[in-house]
Amino acid sequence: DQQVKQNSPSLSVQEGRISILNCDYTNSMFDYFLWYKKYPAEGPTFLISISSIKDKNEDGRFTVFLNKSAKHLSLHIVPSQPGDSAVYFCAASSSGNTGKLIFGQGTTLQVKP
Amino acid sequence: EAQVTQNPRYLITVTGKKLTVTCSQNMNHEYMSWYRQDPGLGLRQIYYSMNVEVTDKGDVPEGYKVSRKEKRNFPLILESPSPNQTSLYFCASSLSGSGFNEQFFGPGTRLTVL
Repeated sequence: DQQVKQNSPSLSVQEGRISILNCDYTNSMFDYFLWYKKYPAEGPTFLISISSIKDKNEDGRFTVFLNKSAKHLSLHIVPSQPGDSAVYFCAASSSGNTGKLIFGQGTTLQVKP
Repeated sequence: EAQVTQNPRYLITVTGKKLTVTCSQNMNHEYMSWYRQDPGLGLRQIYYSMNVEVTDKGDVPEGYKVSRKEKRNFPLILESPSPNQTSLYFCASSLSGSGFNEQFFGPGTRLTVL
């Protein structure tokens, strides 16, 4: 039973355009959501997070939106750059859950020059 | 430099031959965890540790052991590896076990069990 789902295995966008990566979750106990980026042969690195008390968090070119009623979050990258090409994982946790992160399957983003 | 290190990075072994993957962090983090990454499944937690001498099972603990004798080290032990443990393994650490803490990941260990 996949509690966090990223239904798009891959996404290709042109440099300079917006990239939108989506993530759905089923567990209403999740109260913190994170996005990680992973390059080949490296470990995932933290990108941006959002608490369930917010609906938006912005950090430079990266914005995460949370729609709790739909149990959906999205990561927007504007403008997209070739260096953003990587696998993006959505993850969720709940404050009472011993630090455990539940990850989605990942979406591979390719940004074409 | 703050980091999580894992060794070895790549390992090919045979069924039944005990192995240990080491993990070390230099950030004085209390919380450490092991994940495996498999195609189409994302990262799944194997074991975690809230602090020294405190370990517990994650979602897929079968066939694995861990220990936490020191704060900085969290080795993953496969007593009798099997081919279904062929995977990409990541160690991670964070300041505490709160779900609000960012986790820092090691570079990964690619394990193949023949």
